[in-house]
Amino acid sequence: KQEVTQIPAALSVPEGENLVLNCSFTDSAIYNLQWFRQDPGKGLTSLLLIQSSQREQTSGRLNASLDKSSGRSTLYIAASQPGDSATYLCAARGSNYKLTFGKGTLLTVNP
Amino acid sequence: DAGITQSPRHKVTETGTPVTLRCHQTENHRYMYWYRQDPGHGLRLIHYSYGVKDTDKGEVSDGYSVSRSKTEDFLLTLESATSSQTSVYFCATGDAYEQYFGPGTRLTVT
Repeated sequence: KQEVTQIPAALSVPEGENLVLNCSFTDSAIYNLQWFRQDPGKGLTSLLLIQSSQREQTSGRLNASLDKSSGRSTLYIAASQPGDSATYLCAARGSNYKLTFGKGTLLTVNP
Repeated sequence: DAGITQSPRHKVTETGTPVTLRCHQTENHRYMYWYRQDPGHGLRLIHYSYGVKDTDKGEVSDGYSVSRSKTEDFLLTLESATSSQTSVYFCATGDAYEQYFGPGTRLTVT
């Protein structure tokens, strides 16, 4: 059974810092890995999707990497802003098209 | 946004009553999913569908049933609601690569 872990559970940083969120998964036979953002009381917004054959994906100030062999993915946020404050979730997709989610990292960016 | 709506958005119901939540999509996605989100547990899959009338159980399916009679609609039914089913319920749809989430339904069972 796939298990996904996100570290840290919470992170507080001053505005402008570069930061890294970590995601690990136990079964390396994944189809892809997806990073989401969730604002309080809202649904999930997809940020980046990395296929199993890819090593990284970039969108603006966000960069996600994937190392299947070690069961790890990281989300790098450059020059953080208060508007980046949210919960970030990673999810690993297996061959059955089902996602297994981590419990998320609550990010607070202080002005 | 993949054009996913959920109804109702909020509901309060009493223990023992049946409840049906609706998910509607306009993207013609093949796959549809129901999740619940609880503090300390994260998002957990309840049921999913891989086509009209084709459904399967997720990891927390006890007490829930689903139906999908049209591509665009996926219904989640709590046959007899219990307090442990108080949660936020999310619907998602997807293609072979990605999942897209609806805004959620907050259900309170008193």
